[in-house]
Amino acid sequence: GQNIDQPTEMTATEGAIVQINCTYQTSGFNGLFWYQQHAGEAPTFLSYNVLDGLEEKGRFSSFLSRSKGYSYLLLKELQMKDSASYLCAVRDSNYQLIWGAGTKLIIKP
Amino acid sequence: IAGITQAPTSQILAAGRRMTLRCTQDMRHNAMYWYRQDLGLGLRLIHYSNTAGTTGKGEVPDGYSVSRANTDDFPLTLASAVPSQTSVYFCASSDSDNNEQFFGPGTRLTVL
Repeated sequence: GQNIDQPTEMTATEGAIVQINCTYQTSGFNGLFWYQQHAGEAPTFLSYNVLDGLEEKGRFSSFLSRSKGYSYLLLKELQMKDSASYLCAVRDSNYQLIWGAGTKLIIKP
Repeated sequence: IAGITQAPTSQILAAGRRMTLRCTQDMRHNAMYWYRQDLGLGLRLIHYSNTAGTTGKGEVPDGYSVSRANTDDFPLTLASAVPSQTSVYFCASSDSDNNEQFFGPGTRLTVL
């Protein structure tokens, strides 16, 4: 079966750095996505990786290792507004997105 | 309209009733999707449409139907609602040449 694993919840301090991991086992791989979802709102796109390595976009970076079936999202200089759920999704051989359950990130002052 | 809209925002429905959730996008995206999101589970694909006139089944299609008569609209119908269909429903769209899916604000459906 297809499976996306990410921690259920993480806590970090304002101004710090946090890394949210995602491991996947899917039928085929055509890219990995990270989305942010604030409580009660729709998911919004953060990043996309299809090749191994690090993609940096401002305070957010995303890393991919296809051989290990592994990705992480790195958030720097954390702000209170970063409190949200972070969703990892993999596009499979049918070009459909398989979603993880999400990691709820709690930022403390 | 800017982006994707969904209606209604929320609904309480008696079991056995028929319900249509509406979704409209103005971005001229080819592909559209319906997901349900339940606590502790990832988004699960119900149905999708790669282009107007075509639809396909996702991971959890039973009890749901869709149509795609034109590019902009992608309604989701529950023919006879059951309590297990209580969920938050998100509609999304993407350009076939683009990677990103854009989501509507969601519909919170409660079936009693």
